[in-house]
Amino acid sequence: GAVVSQHPSWVICKSGTSVKIECRSLDFQATTMFWYRQFPKQSLMLMATSNEGSKATYEQGVEKDKFLINHASLTLSTLTVTSAHPEDSSFYICSGSGPRETQYFGPGTRLLVL
Amino acid sequence: QKEVEQNSGPLSVPEGAIASLNCTYSDRGSQSFFWYRQYSGKSPELIMSIYSNGDKEDGRFTAQLNKASQYVSLLIRDSQPSDSATYLCAVDLIFPDTGGFKTIFGAGTRLFVKA
Repeated sequence: GAVVSQHPSWVICKSGTSVKIECRSLDFQATTMFWYRQFPKQSLMLMATSNEGSKATYEQGVEKDKFLINHASLTLSTLTVTSAHPEDSSFYICSGSGPRETQYFGPGTRLLVL
Repeated sequence: QKEVEQNSGPLSVPEGAIASLNCTYSDRGSQSFFWYRQYSGKSPELIMSIYSNGDKEDGRFTAQLNKASQYVSLLIRDSQPSDSATYLCAVDLIFPDTGGFKTIFGAGTRLFVKA
């Protein structure tokens, strides 16, 4: 199956700092990548849809100026959490779209903001 | 009304039994349906995809789709303790004007397989 990597796998940062998460499709080209957030014991929440070479489409309630998404190539998308606060602590997961809208998920990045 | 609904469980079955997971969806235009498995603390992994009415079998897993009833299910035969996880039903929403899509996930059903 298709492989998606994420880096870092976990990060601890101080409140007010920015954190960048990378998502790479290793063996396929993902025209579309998705960013999700998942709080403990809750389901996946779509944050934004990212298409290569164009601006990301954010879901309602997700601040685009706080969660900056860049999809510069068919294999790389980045999510930057700017001025992170403790309430941003969560499990961030990206996915790349394959044939027939199948999504392949990265392993996730666990963010803890102190 | 939620777009993809699942019973949150937990669903508990003995080892070797058949586990039956169910899901309903609201958008009649949906064409792509998926089951993902998520272990605690991990990201989801694709188990099955199904696109047409009927059954699709892959090893111990069988996905069933009934578009008229807007219903999709997953059967796990010979359940193993390692199958204990949360199973997410996912349905795609296609945007015909742009050709784009997004996937709507159910809240997931927690499955426990008792040894």
